[in-house]
Amino acid sequence: AQSVTQLDSQVPVFEEAPVELRCNYSSSVSVYLFWYVQYPNQGLQLLLKYLSGSTLVKGINGFEAEFNKSQTSFHLRKPSVHISDTAEYFCAVGMDTGRRALTFGSGTRLQVQP
Amino acid sequence: DTGVSQNPRHKITKRGQNVTFRCDPISEHNRLYWYRQTLGQGPEFLTYFQNEAQLEKSRLLSDRFSAERPKGSFSTLEIQRTEQGDSAMYLCASSFRSGQETQYFGPGTRLLVL
Repeated sequence: AQSVTQLDSQVPVFEEAPVELRCNYSSSVSVYLFWYVQYPNQGLQLLLKYLSGSTLVKGINGFEAEFNKSQTSFHLRKPSVHISDTAEYFCAVGMDTGRRALTFGSGTRLQVQP
Repeated sequence: DTGVSQNPRHKITKRGQNVTFRCDPISEHNRLYWYRQTLGQGPEFLTYFQNEAQLEKSRLLSDRFSAERPKGSFSTLEIQRTEQGDSAMYLCASSFRSGQETQYFGPGTRLLVL
């Protein structure tokens, strides 16, 4: 079975400051890792994904994430946030074989303040 | 590529009524997924289709829930005898079968059971 833990339910940050949203996972098999963003009353939009290869993944809107296999982490970072980044961020894990469902964390609310 | 669409976007119903939601996936995608998201939580997997075959169902999918994808294109999710606990956002996602698949989500249908 897989699980995803997002350690922070809320992260307040000032505009133009850097931010890191933490994600840890557990799985007994190889996984794919994703970060999705959800704006109020909308569906999920893919930010970035790790499938294989380079452990540093760049996504949309200036976000990046680093896969760390030994620490089973996939933390999301942005060097300078904007007010428009205020949203809910979800980390998800999928298996590369077998079960096709994604397992999501409970989400981190990023609140960017002026 | 018009993205995944879902209808209706909002549904208010009384307890005990039946409701049906529709999902139209991205046209070339042969995999379709349903998830449920309650307030403050990440999406939870309900069921998955490959073409018209329903290949996986979660234990969350009680016998009051039924999903179909009759021609391998759009899908419907029906909830019979709705309960207040069914109030949630119902998300549909689709993907293209390959070794590395990404699920693209629709805007969701928000259900409120009174």
